[in-house]
Amino acid sequence: DTGVSQDPRHKITKRGQNVTFRCDPISEHNRLYWYRQTLGQGPEFLTYFQNEAQLEKSRLLSDRFSAERPKGSFSTLEIQRTEQGDSAMYLCASSFLDLRASSYNEQFFGPGTRLTVL
Amino acid sequence: AQRVTQPEKLLSVFKGAPVELKCNYSYSGSPELFWYVQYSRQRLQLLLRHISRESIKGFTADLNKGETSFHLKKPFAQEGDSAMYYCALSGRYGNKLVFGAGTILRVKS
Repeated sequence: DTGVSQDPRHKITKRGQNVTFRCDPISEHNRLYWYRQTLGQGPEFLTYFQNEAQLEKSRLLSDRFSAERPKGSFSTLEIQRTEQGDSAMYLCASSFLDLRASSYNEQFFGPGTRLTVL
Repeated sequence: AQRVTQPEKLLSVFKGAPVELKCNYSYSGSPELFWYVQYSRQRLQLLLRHISRESIKGFTADLNKGETSFHLKKPFAQEGDSAMYYCALSGRYGNKLVFGAGTILRVKS
């Protein structure tokens, strides 16, 4: 297991097109997070899953964005009708939360998918 | 509102000089505070967290609840410390992370 992987690493699309990104978390990590990072800013939270359940969505996640984690393993983030403002780095992270231990679950980040909308 | 502020975009120091990267936060409750680092062409990784109270690569950070600060310090900077540093917070059980805008640390020889 080499860590969190994301595909593709780069995506260039035209305004109005749909795009889909994939994230493969570290094996057996039950939590998966999506963040977006624009130039000069830190990552901003979009949404997260515990297993297959989507537990929280940011207001940044407009109705054009949808995320899924159907089997509690990999996740996809789809952006419909892309806009130039969607251009950003999309980061995925995963962690293992043991509720019995109530311990902090370190988030491990993937390399990101850089989206450019022309 | 949850917010993390890193007032410096860039901090440039000479090798061997002390380093202090500033971080202030606002959070209602008891947050967990972290420093993440991103070296050139590498992914974001955890450097340290306040609960562990450990020193990593010579860096330490003390949580000051009175001043709502979590500054990152190192007594003697090394060229390998050059990177982007992000301060972040989360609630209990480590849900979403809220990041600051980041500070570029440049260590000059």
